[in-house]
Amino acid sequence: GQSLEQPSEVTAVEGAIVQINCTYQTSGFYGLSWYQQHDGGAPTFLSYNALDGLEETGRFSSFLSRSDSYGYLLLQELQMKDSASYFCAVTDSNYQLIWGAGTKLIIKP
Amino acid sequence: DSGVTQTPKHLITATGQRVTLRCSPRSGDLSVYWYQQSLDQGLQFLIQYYNGEERAKGNILERFSAQQFPDLHSELNLSSLELGDSALYFCASSVAQGANRNTIYFGEGSWLTVV
Repeated sequence: GQSLEQPSEVTAVEGAIVQINCTYQTSGFYGLSWYQQHDGGAPTFLSYNALDGLEETGRFSSFLSRSDSYGYLLLQELQMKDSASYFCAVTDSNYQLIWGAGTKLIIKP
Repeated sequence: DSGVTQTPKHLITATGQRVTLRCSPRSGDLSVYWYQQSLDQGLQFLIQYYNGEERAKGNILERFSAQQFPDLHSELNLSSLELGDSALYFCASSVAQGANRNTIYFGEGSWLTVV
């Protein structure tokens, strides 16, 4: 079967750096995406990696290693507003999104 | 604002009833996806339509059905409702048939409470 593994919860301090990992096992792979979802809100797209390496978008960066079937989302200079759930998702060989269960990021002042 | 519109935003109904959730995709998007999210749970993919045709099916119960109309809006029909169907139902849309670059855009969701 297809699966994505990510930690259920991560806690960090405001102003710090946090990394959310995602490992996947899917039928084919076109890319790894990250979405952010605040409580009661809609998921919103953060980043996409199709090739190995680091993609940076402001305070957020996303990394992919296809050989390790692994990626991570790096959040720097954490702000309270970054408290949310973060989902990784893989585009499989049928161009379908396979979702992880989500990581709840708790930020403490 | 993602451009995806869902109605109603909130709905309370009794067990055994039937409801219809409506979704208007972003202008120009041909694909519509439906997801279910129970409290503090992940996103469960239900079904996808592309330009009026069913494209992919996920963990959708037989009591649930969906369709996409010629004007590309979509409806999700939930029948014989059970308490466990209480959830946030998201509609999402994308331009392409497949989730190219995974940029799909979500609506704000429809909160369904079954009592």
